[in-house]
Amino acid sequence: LAKTTQPISMDSYEGQEVNITCSHNNIATNDYITWYQQFPSQGPRFIIQGYKTKVTNEVASLFIPADRKSSTLSLPRVSLSDTAVYYCLEGGNKLTFGGGTRVLVKP
Amino acid sequence: DAGVIQSPRHEVTEMGQEVTLRCKPISGHDYLFWYRQTMMRGLELLIYFNNNVPIDDSGMPEDRFSAKMPNASFSTLKIQPSEPRDSAVYFCASSDPGTGASNEQFFGPGTRLTVL
Repeated sequence: LAKTTQPISMDSYEGQEVNITCSHNNIATNDYITWYQQFPSQGPRFIIQGYKTKVTNEVASLFIPADRKSSTLSLPRVSLSDTAVYYCLEGGNKLTFGGGTRVLVKP
Repeated sequence: DAGVIQSPRHEVTEMGQEVTLRCKPISGHDYLFWYRQTMMRGLELLIYFNNNVPIDDSGMPEDRFSAKMPNASFSTLKIQPSEPRDSAVYFCASSDPGTGASNEQFFGPGTRLTVL
């Protein structure tokens, strides 16, 4: 069973910011929180990883509160090509993927 | 680097036949993972290796599945005999936690297996 809980799907429009929140109710002290993106017919691709507070890279930001019971992936100004499934995961080398969040970006 | 290479990309076989999926990880990566993805069960970790040694095979469905890593640049996942319920996309991934993000795995393009 996946350790995390995230919404099944989410719709947005081009140019908007998309925020996906994931619950990590039983996260272990040493576990990092990681987000992956998967396009149809492709393998998942690493987006961002964090342990606490805020992490930002060229494609996304990750917000993790002090209690680490949740994480929020923020995609700024999405485009049609951001339509994909987004997975939040916790753990070390062994990753358990849940159902992910299907994000549909509309024109 | 060419990334993780998997072959074949598509495989169609008949029930009862042996199927062998192949993977070449990214050079220098010391972890290799095999996953299976279906609509019903999502993406499942089957087994992973560290330095060619199997570390955790608890996700392997049953004895019909076996995986080997004879050297750092090659791994196989074998299904014998295959069954229709084995139809899925099988992904191989590799990682190098020593230099990159600890959870950054690089996935191959997958092998789409259809067992008739």
